[in-house]
Amino acid sequence: QKEVEQNSGPLSVPEGAIASLNCTYSDRGSQSFFWYRQYSGKSPELIMSIYSNGDKEDGRFTAQLNKASQYVSLLIRDSQPSDSATYLCAVNTRGTGGFKTIFGAGTRLFVKA
Amino acid sequence: DTAVSQTPKYLVTQMGNDKSIKCEQNLGHDTMYWYKQDSKKFLKIMFSYNNKELIINETVPNRFSPKSPDKAHLNLHINSLELGDSAVYFCASSQGGTTYEQYFGPGTRLTVT
Repeated sequence: QKEVEQNSGPLSVPEGAIASLNCTYSDRGSQSFFWYRQYSGKSPELIMSIYSNGDKEDGRFTAQLNKASQYVSLLIRDSQPSDSATYLCAVNTRGTGGFKTIFGAGTRLFVKA
Repeated sequence: DTAVSQTPKYLVTQMGNDKSIKCEQNLGHDTMYWYKQDSKKFLKIMFSYNNKELIINETVPNRFSPKSPDKAHLNLHINSLELGDSAVYFCASSQGGTTYEQYFGPGTRLTVT
């Protein structure tokens, strides 16, 4: 089982719709969860971090965490064409040397104008 | 003001050569990382340093040797380059260890011919 799993997509939504991105993880001891956005040819850019169960909102973005189900999601409201990118889920997980951040393979999002 | 910078941005070299990539952060962070992103866009941790001490050393060939002269700098030296080393290498930094948000540099695209 992969440590962090995401649907690779592509996920296609019309402009103005809600985009829902999902991620599951395998380490029950994980404490930190992140969403990064990566445009083609660019570096990952932090969008949201979440550390406790529930929802966390920042502008058009909402991160949701459910540790019991080992599930974290990102909702993008009022999607814009500029949101088209790959979204990477990252989870802090235990390794031999301590905690390390494991990235999922990413979900490609296309927002159609 | 660039937060995390890397040099060079592009590196084209032949098999068997030795090359270095440099990273600097001006965020005052105490933890720095090297990640490799391969052609399938999978982002994988290689090394992590906290206050100049190596804390994460993933299963990476010993041809790769990181060095941290101070907590604002983390360099990566690669000996005897192989075709499979071709990838984008990202430096990142965070404050307070691996639990918290990481900020990425622009990446170095390494092509080995």
